[in-house]
Amino acid sequence: DTGVSQDPRHKITKRGQNVTFRCDPISEHNRLYWYRQTLGQGPEFLTYFQNEAQLEKSRLLSDRFSAERPKGSFSTLEIQRTEQGDSAMYLCASTGGDRGRSSGNTIYFGEGSWLTVV
Amino acid sequence: DAKTTQPPSMDCAEGRAANLPCNHSTISGNEYVYWYRQIHSQGPQYIIHGLKNNETNEMASLIITEDRKSSTLILPHATLRDTAVYYCIVRPTPADNYGQNFVFGPGTRLSVLP
Repeated sequence: DTGVSQDPRHKITKRGQNVTFRCDPISEHNRLYWYRQTLGQGPEFLTYFQNEAQLEKSRLLSDRFSAERPKGSFSTLEIQRTEQGDSAMYLCASTGGDRGRSSGNTIYFGEGSWLTVV
Repeated sequence: DAKTTQPPSMDCAEGRAANLPCNHSTISGNEYVYWYRQIHSQGPQYIIHGLKNNETNEMASLIITEDRKSSTLILPHATLRDTAVYYCIVRPTPADNYGQNFVFGPGTRLSVLP
C-alpha cells in the first residue's frame, strides 16, 4: 500500500454514461498525476496538478475528460459520454519530495481504477 | 516517447539473480534513472532510483555505468512473486517535474520460473 487511494477500483458502465473516479494522494504530496493504461501497454500520462492548479494536460485528454483538484487534496477524473475506447485502467499518482535525500521526487501510484465500457 | 530501451522479456530461475538491463543513451546530466515494476492488474510499484552512483535498497540494486548511458536493475534472489513488468524511466529534477517528462515505455516482462 503506497498511501495513494483510488475509488472505485472497478467500474462497468454502458456506453454514453458518465463516470467519475476519485483519487486521494499521500497527504503531504502537493503534486498529483493521472495516467491511463490499456492492456499490454505502459501507463500514458493524462494530466498533472500542482496543488489545485492543473498545469499540464496531455492531448490524450479529450474534451470528454475533465479533472479537478478543488482544494489541492483529493482529485476527481470525470469521463462524459463514455465510449468503448475509454475502457482502461486509470492510475493516480502523487509526489511531493523525498525526505532526507535530494532526488527527482519519487512518484507513488495507486492501485488504479478499472473502467469497462459495454 | 520513452527515453529508454529495454528487452521485451526475460526469464530467470527462482533463487537466482535477475539482471534487467536498460539503455538510456540520451540521458542528460540532470536526469535520474527510476525503476518501477507492475504486477498484473496492480499499479506500478516504485523500486529504486539513482543519478550517478550505484544504489541498493531492500528490494534491489541499481548499477549505473560511468557514462550513465545504461543501467542494470538487480534482484539478488528472484522469487515467483517478482514476476512482473519492469519499467526503466529517466526523469528530470524537480525543476522540470512535469508529467510529460515521466514517460513509460513497454518495459521488460520478467518471468521467474520455478
